[in-house]
Amino acid sequence: KNQVEQSPQSLIILEGKNCTLQCNYTVSPFSNLRWYKQDTGRGPVSLTIMTFSENTKSNGRYTATLDADTKQSSLHITASQLSDSASYICVVSATGGTSYGKLTFGQGTILTVHP
Amino acid sequence: GAVVSQHPSWVICKSGTSVKIECRSLDFQATTMFWYRQFPKQSLMLMATSNEGSKATYEQGVEKDKFLINHASLTLSTLTVTSAHPEDSSFYICSARLSGNSQYFGPGTRLTVL
Repeated sequence: KNQVEQSPQSLIILEGKNCTLQCNYTVSPFSNLRWYKQDTGRGPVSLTIMTFSENTKSNGRYTATLDADTKQSSLHITASQLSDSASYICVVSATGGTSYGKLTFGQGTILTVHP
Repeated sequence: GAVVSQHPSWVICKSGTSVKIECRSLDFQATTMFWYRQFPKQSLMLMATSNEGSKATYEQGVEKDKFLINHASLTLSTLTVTSAHPEDSSFYICSARLSGNSQYFGPGTRLTVL
C-alpha cells in the first residue's frame, strides 16, 4: 500500500530560526515528490518538485532533498518568517499502472512561527 | 501560469439542499481534474477523478449519487453535493492535471451545511 509519513506532526519555532521537516514514503513505482505549503482555508501551493534523479531543489528559503534509495525527503526552511506558519504537505506521485497520476498525501506538518 | 480557480470560495446551505462547486483551469486545458475533501487538521482525501467527456471515477466509499461530477469542457469541472447534510460540511479542493503527473490545486471551497 502506498503511504507517505511526515514528521513531526507539528512544530513551533521562533522567527528567524531554521527548521527541517521530514517525509518518508513507500510509493511505488515512484514518479516524483512535491512539497506543498497550505495556508489555513486555502488550497495547497507547490514549493518544490523532485524526480528520481534529483537530490536537491531550492525555492528561495525552501530547500528540499530527496534520497530515492532510502525513500526519504526533507524540507529545510531557512530564516523563518511569520508568514511561513502553515501546513507543509509531502505528496508523492506514482507512475504507470493503476496508480498513474494518483497522489499519495502525507498528513502534513503544522508549522507555527512565533515572533 | 497553471492557475486553477474555484467558485464559490465558501457557501452555507440548509440541510437537504444541493450545492454546486465549480473548478476552472484558467490558462490551460485539463482533460483530467480531481476532487478532494479535507476535514480539519487532516490531509486531502481524493474523492473522484473527473475526465472530460466521460463519467467520473469515484474512490471507494464515495457515493456517486450524492457527489455528482460533470466535466463538460476542458476547463471546467463541477461537483454537486446533493441533499447536503451537516456531515458533508468540509473543505472541498479541486486540482487539474496539466501534463504527466503535474497537478495544480484550486484555492478550495468551504461548505457549511446547517
